[in-house]
Amino acid sequence: NAGVMQNPRHLVRRRGQEARLRCSPMKGHSHVYWYRQLPEEGLKFMVYLQKENIIDESGMPKERFSAEFPKEGPSILRIQQVVRGDSAAYFCASSPDLRRNEQFFGPGTRLTVL
Amino acid sequence: KQEVTQIPAALSVPEGENLVLNCSFTDSAIYNLQWFRQDPGKGLTSLLLIQSSQREQTSGRLNASLDKSSGRSTLYIAASQPGDSATYLCAVPMNRDDKIIFGKGTRLHILP
Repeated sequence: NAGVMQNPRHLVRRRGQEARLRCSPMKGHSHVYWYRQLPEEGLKFMVYLQKENIIDESGMPKERFSAEFPKEGPSILRIQQVVRGDSAAYFCASSPDLRRNEQFFGPGTRLTVL
Repeated sequence: KQEVTQIPAALSVPEGENLVLNCSFTDSAIYNLQWFRQDPGKGLTSLLLIQSSQREQTSGRLNASLDKSSGRSTLYIAASQPGDSATYLCAVPMNRDDKIIFGKGTRLHILP
């Protein structure tokens, strides 16, 4: 059973471009969480999704950020018109239905905005 | 609002010593508590998960304890090795919400 997969592992964008980060949860997991780790900061929750539904987006910035978890395919975290302050490591986690508070983390995507 | 604090922020000890990392949380209504390890530029590795009904968990040279009433957890590392050098994160999910609240971590450096 492969772990949580994220791609790309490293992403470089210029200011104003779009960044798309992908997360494939573990097999059988239907709950996906996105976290962001800013330099010298702890991990902060962004959004929690189930298939085709956003359950909790209380940690998402109000503008430029969006997330989806379609019926088929990976979860996508999309950042429009990136700014230097978006440079961070973005981690995805997934959990099974019966143990939703036990989350398994992916290796992260490191976004650098030039 | 749950807040998780880890002390110390950084720690350097000689190889072979036993050490304790501390974690405190403000809301005792937790579902479980998890300790992670993060190597520089890498993802998170789950070390130990303690359910709210448990007092401690052990894995090899690692032992984690949980005292919900006082809002504290400790991670004990026995006979430290240079390979233990990493950042150790304490994390708490809430009952009502499924999101995890992380501490800022303790950066551990084991001196050879």
